Amino acid sequence: GPKVLQIPSHQIIDMGQMVTLNCDPVSNHLYFYWYKQILGQQMEFLVNFYNGKVMEKSKLFKDQFSVERPDGSYFTLKIQPTALEDSAVYFCASSLDTANTEVFFGKGTRLTVV
Amino acid sequence: QQQVRQSPQSLTVWEGETAILNCSYEDSTFDYFPWYHQFPGESPALLIAIRPVSNKKEDGRFTIFFNKREKKFSLHIADSQPGDSATYFCAASGGNEKITFGAGTKLTIKP
Repeated sequence: GPKVLQIPSHQIIDMGQMVTLNCDPVSNHLYFYWYKQILGQQMEFLVNFYNGKVMEKSKLFKDQFSVERPDGSYFTLKIQPTALEDSAVYFCASSLDTANTEVFFGKGTRLTVV
Repeated sequence: QQQVRQSPQSLTVWEGETAILNCSYEDSTFDYFPWYHQFPGESPALLIAIRPVSNKKEDGRFTIFFNKREKKFSLHIADSQPGDSATYFCAASGGNEKITFGAGTKLTIKP
């Protein structure tokens, strides 16, 4: 089936540094999402993105977070600067239409901030 | 604010039994209720979903029962198999274009 690819699968970074998580969504999809999952806990919505704009973001989407998808390339989540509490698995997802249709998830990027 | 509550946190059943996973929600604007499953190291993947026009949706061994009045829905896995062992997430979405997930149920099927 359709696949969402996330690069890298693991990332270890020093606190205070910048990190960019990359997502290659399903090719004809229009809606993009980032979710955060701390080990053993539920997936928490961070942000969704459509037509080049953030549609909605949660309280977890701090000022240090930003998303973009320049010229239809990777959909990225940038954290600058990183903090220890940013350590989690970040899932990218995409859907053809809104979240009221099937949403496809990537395998996640495990981010460890040390 | 936890809008989707899921129970139990973990569940173990014997092979061949029916596993029952439960969820409830608060937001009346939710109109799409998917269940996702996730195997270790893999992506969450859509298993089955229901919209409030129905109170039951079946797909093979998997059935969603939906109670709009009580704002509850459940996933029944009949004739459970060891390969069904995974973490199951219920979820809900509405016009705000995001999926809100429950906390997950870690299901273990014992052979």
